[in-house]
Amino acid sequence: DAGVTQSPTHLIKTRGQQVTLRCSPKSGHDTVSWYQQALGQGPQFIFQYYEEEERQRGNFPDRFSGHQFPNYSSELNVNALLLGDSALYLCASSSYYGYTFGSGTRLTVV
Amino acid sequence: AQRVTQPEKLLSVFKGAPVELKCNYSYSGSPELFWYVQYSRQRLQLLLRHISRESIKGFTADLNKGETSFHLKKPFAQEEDSAMYYCALYIIQGAQKLVFGQGTRLTINP
Repeated sequence: DAGVTQSPTHLIKTRGQQVTLRCSPKSGHDTVSWYQQALGQGPQFIFQYYEEEERQRGNFPDRFSGHQFPNYSSELNVNALLLGDSALYLCASSSYYGYTFGSGTRLTVV
Repeated sequence: AQRVTQPEKLLSVFKGAPVELKCNYSYSGSPELFWYVQYSRQRLQLLLRHISRESIKGFTADLNKGETSFHLKKPFAQEEDSAMYYCALYIIQGAQKLVFGQGTRLTINP
């Protein structure tokens, strides 16, 4: 079992650009959550997807959007990138009990 | 408000000494708490959850609802315990999400 896989591992973008991050959940998991981890901080909940719908959103602007596909994989999109969006983006998949986290995508906005 | 506080950003102890990583939470509902660990260059992984009341790698944590705390303890620290530790509050309100503290970097000195 490959667990949760995220791509790409690293990414450098320019302010104002758009980015798409991808996540494949652990086998058997149908729920995907995204977290942002800024340097020196704990992860912060962005949103969660279940049955291809956004279940709940954290305190993030509409520039952050997502999608879940029928195979449960998910994408996180960020528009109009700001320097402050530089962070590690974590994907986590879950079933009834607990989360499994991916290794994350390190996004740097310059 | 839902909040997790880890008052120590850095903690350094000698090998063989006892370790206590502090965690306090604020939540109006019935809390479910976790400790996650991140070793160098590895993904975030679950260390223990208060419901299971188990001991993992010698670590234990007791939920104290009166003091709203969930401190992580180990009687004899080992060098391999050096890592980043995050306390997290698990909330089910529509979605299942984790609210993380800012983390404590634990360093075990030989």
